[in-house]
Amino acid sequence: QITLKESGPTLVKPAQTLTLTCSFSGFSLSTSGVGVGWIRQPPGKALEWLALIYWNDDKRYSPSLKRRLTITKATSKNQVVLEMTDMDPADTATYYCVQSDHNTGWPYAFDPWGQGTLVTVSS
Amino acid sequence: DIQMTQSPPSLSASVGDRVIITCRASQSISTYLYWYQQKPGKAPNILIYGASSLQSGVPSRFSASGSGTDFTLTISSLQPADFATYYCQQSYSIPLTFGGGTKVEIK
Repeated sequence: QITLKESGPTLVKPAQTLTLTCSFSGFSLSTSGVGVGWIRQPPGKALEWLALIYWNDDKRYSPSLKRRLTITKATSKNQVVLEMTDMDPADTATYYCVQSDHNTGWPYAFDPWGQGTLVTVSS
Repeated sequence: DIQMTQSPPSLSASVGDRVIITCRASQSISTYLYWYQQKPGKAPNILIYGASSLQSGVPSRFSASGSGTDFTLTISSLQPADFATYYCQQSYSIPLTFGGGTKVEIK
């Protein structure tokens, strides 16, 4: 069974850097075709894809946020970390960690998802 | 970026109703389209792969079709468990983008 769980601060101040960790089990990020990504959802709004990292350290970012995002993996720890700099109240959202496995034949499909973590940006 | 537009943004329906949700892409995406269901306070779950393939375990009252720019998700007979928000997502190109969602509410 694959599970993912997000962890990190629930409250950050404007201009600070957010660091979120995705801890997962049931798969390995050393397996060819496997990736982990981040998606966020502001309260009452739609989903927004942020970033993906793959087994071979290939990384993909949302162009609109690329300058603020860094995604890294710690394969032996089964963790993926997302850093987002220069946080703003508009970044208040639930941040989800997701698996994306190209071995399913469905590239960039997100399944499963973590439970999500609400991050509020406020002074 | 490929824009995904869903309609309607919300709808009210009764148990047993047939419900159709549409998703339009701003350019052709072939069948690189997924559908997700999100219940309040929960993470989304994938329903449909490749525009029309049902995820294992998803009830057969769900179906989907389309290719190119126009796609539909149909619930043939709405059940209480189906009241949720539905999102489409294109996987044709980066950035990966979602539709604005369609909230299905109880009439």
